[in-house]
Amino acid sequence: DTEVTQTPKHLVMGMTNKKSLKCEQHMGHRAMYWYKQKAKKPPELMFVYSYEKLSINESVPSRFSPECPNSSLLNLHLHALQPEDSALYLCASSPGGIQDTEAFFGQGTRLTVV
Amino acid sequence: KNQVEQSPQSLIILEGKNCTLQCNYTVSPFSNLRWYKQDTGRGPVSLTIMTFSENTKSNGRYTATLDADTKQSSLHITASQLSDSASYICVVSLRGGYNKLIFGAGTRLAVHP
Repeated sequence: DTEVTQTPKHLVMGMTNKKSLKCEQHMGHRAMYWYKQKAKKPPELMFVYSYEKLSINESVPSRFSPECPNSSLLNLHLHALQPEDSALYLCASSPGGIQDTEAFFGQGTRLTVV
Repeated sequence: KNQVEQSPQSLIILEGKNCTLQCNYTVSPFSNLRWYKQDTGRGPVSLTIMTFSENTKSNGRYTATLDADTKQSSLHITASQLSDSASYICVVSLRGGYNKLIFGAGTRLAVHP
């Protein structure tokens, strides 16, 4: 398996809802990332996990809560989001950990907050 | 400030034609430079990676160049196909620390029949 798989592909949620995004990779990669990408803009780094521990939080609001239950799985829990949080959320992983500059991206979850 | 600038912002070409996309960067310390292809609503897919000592690298119809002295890179697409329609993103990695990727804003390429 040489893919980063994200589910769901599309998600519509209300501002009072709680939802989760899921990311899986079975390549044995030791670092995993969440990015947020607005339309026609480059991806922006949100969180970095290294060996299942949160290494970097790029000053992301607490309504986004990451979780790494094991080395293959990365979740992003969403609560009380705002319409401006609507974006494409990308997960990525790196084989050699956080110092590895190679990143494999998932196909993304298109999130719409209404 | 670490920046990656791409030109043109958007480009329309006819199927079968060639095109060249540009990337200028002011990133230090430099580790490597990658070109990604991103279809609308999908995740980026790596096309090529260039390290400091490499000048040219090809991947099928894609050829990337790197001039580390002038801090410029280009991506040349030969004999374009309709499926080449996508955004092409230049990404420069910082050396040291964590995987810090500096993304360009991308060039949106449309290939018309």
